Amino acid sequence: AQKVTQAQTEISVVEKEDVTLDCVYETRDTTYYLFWYKQPPSGELVFLIRRNSFDEQNEISGRYSWNFQKSTSSFNFTITASQVVDSAVYFCALSEAPLGGGATNKLIFGTGTLLAVQP
Amino acid sequence: DAGVTQSPTHLIKTRGQHVTLRCSPISGHKSVSWYQQVLGQGPQFIFQYYEKEERGRGNFPDRFSARQFPNYSSELNVNALLLGDSALYLCASSLVPDRGGKNEQFFGPGTRLTVL
Repeated sequence: AQKVTQAQTEISVVEKEDVTLDCVYETRDTTYYLFWYKQPPSGELVFLIRRNSFDEQNEISGRYSWNFQKSTSSFNFTITASQVVDSAVYFCALSEAPLGGGATNKLIFGTGTLLAVQP
Repeated sequence: DAGVTQSPTHLIKTRGQHVTLRCSPISGHKSVSWYQQVLGQGPQFIFQYYEKEERGRGNFPDRFSARQFPNYSSELNVNALLLGDSALYLCASSLVPDRGGKNEQFFGPGTRLTVL
């Protein structure tokens, strides 16, 4: 069964600290996609990154970086030099490539990690 | 360009009532998905529609139904509301429901439903 686990419920850091959000996933498919979304208090989910299962290269975008390791089924997200504006709930999600039938890109979300960055 | 829009923003209903939530996708997007997010949890997939056809359905009771219109907008209907239906209902649009999720989904601000 497909599953996404975000074991960290809440993390609190002081501004300028680095923080890593953990994500572990389960899937039987060999082709799948992993995502990170940010949900600020307003509620709207903001897309951050998509990774496919064949691309294990780490990615950096400004202060954000992602570490994808198939061997441990993990897709961790690091924020360097955190800022108060980074405070939000962060969700990791999984989308599979079903064989046959109608296509669907439904997302399976983890329970989220609430990140609080204190000034 | 306008993003995904949802209406209403907030809604208060009582148990047993019926509710209709609306979603307009990004211009050019033909697929709409609905998710339910209960407080403190991640969003749960309810439905996906593409070209007015249901493409996927999550583990929700038959009280939940949806449809997509020729202009690709969508409605989510929930009958016989229960207290447990209180949640943020999110709509997401994508170009097509591409296999493997290459088409990222863009989410609207959601409708917060409270059932008393």
